[in-house]
Formats: sequence, structure tokens, C-alpha cells
Amino acid sequence: GDSVTQMEGPVTLSEEAFLTINCTYTATGYPSLFWYVQYPGEGLQLLLKATKADDKGSNKGFEATYRKETTSFHLEKGSVQVSDSAVYFCALTLNAGNMLTFGGGTRLMVKP
Amino acid sequence: DVKVTQSSRYLVKRTGEKVFLECVQDMDHENMFWYRQDPGLGLRLIYFSYDVKMKEKGDIPEGYSVSREKKERFSLILESASTNQTSMYLCASAVRWTGRKTQYFGPGTRLLVL
Repeated sequence: GDSVTQMEGPVTLSEEAFLTINCTYTATGYPSLFWYVQYPGEGLQLLLKATKADDKGSNKGFEATYRKETTSFHLEKGSVQVSDSAVYFCALTLNAGNMLTFGGGTRLMVKP
Repeated sequence: DVKVTQSSRYLVKRTGEKVFLECVQDMDHENMFWYRQDPGLGLRLIYFSYDVKMKEKGDIPEGYSVSREKKERFSLILESASTNQTSMYLCASAVRWTGRKTQYFGPGTRLLVL
């Protein structure tokens, strides 16, 4: 079946450090890929998405590139802030019914 | 602005109680979803609905049921709550047929079953 694998957390960084959260997927078709973010005490919000190979999604300084050859969608940010502390979920969807398959989530903690 | 609301942020129930979690969306979305979120397991789909009175089982439906009497409202029911149902429950909605659009999530209900 379809699945998403994320690096386990927590990831702890100092402010202004470079962030990478790895995400790889297996899918029977050609998925769209998403990163969601969950701030403390809140639901999930869409952070960015990519719908085809080599697309780059970007938002709030975060970027991820859809790499079909490595089945990956790694999340990066050049300089993290304390306010980026949250749980990040990688997800995919294959169908027009918008069913999502999620990774296990990665907690990011940014220290001042 | 897009809005998905859940009836409670925190709930404490006793084993064996019947529990209702309510979700309402104001975007006229056809699809609605219930997930549970547990550390290290990500989000797992319990049930979803693609129309009024329609429902489909997700990955972990055991111990749960759902009700969708109106398009905007999707209820999750724990017929007899058990301690292993202590979790965060997230509701989401999405349009149906516009091709791989995002889901919109509510703030979650943290349920503790004693």
C-alpha cells in the first residue's frame, strides 16, 4: 500500500540554523505531496504542496522539491525561528477524493 | 475564511460511556474525515464521508461509528469508550472532485478516557 516515512524526532535546533526534515514515500501511482504543520494546541495547517515531479512548493521560508527519482519530498528552511517550533507532517494523495496518507510526524524544537 | 470547528477542545470520559465528537464546516465541502493522532503514528483515518448519509471505513474503524445527517456536520461516536481510545481526534473537510486539493482541519479534540 501507499506509505510515507519521515525522520523521527524530535529535531532540536538553535535559532537561525538550517533545517532539513526528510520525507520519502511509496505509492502505486503518481501522488501529490504535502507538508502540514501543527502548532502547539492547534489542528493541522497546509504548509506547502507539489503536484508533479520537480515542482517546488514554498511558503513562510520553507521549501520542498518533489523528487520522483528518489521518491522524496524533503522539507528545508534556511534559518529557523523559535516560532517554527511545531510538529511537521508529510503526506500524499493519489485520488480526486482527496484521501491523505500521512507520515508519523516530526517534532521540531527551536531554541533561542 | 475557511472554518472547521470541533465541539470540544478537551474531553474527559469514563470507560463505557458513549461519547459524541462533533465537527462542523462552513465551506460546503462534500468530503469530511475523522482521524486520530497518536505520538509516532501520525494521523490515522477512522472514517470518512463523501456525502450526506454516506460513510466509508478508514484504516482503524473498530470501536467507532459516524453520522452525517447534514452536509456541514460529521459526528464521530464512541459507543462504549475504552482507555485505548484516549487520543487527539482531528476532523477535516475537502472538496470532492477538483483534483488533489488540500484538506482543512479543525483544531482537534483531546479525549481522555479514564
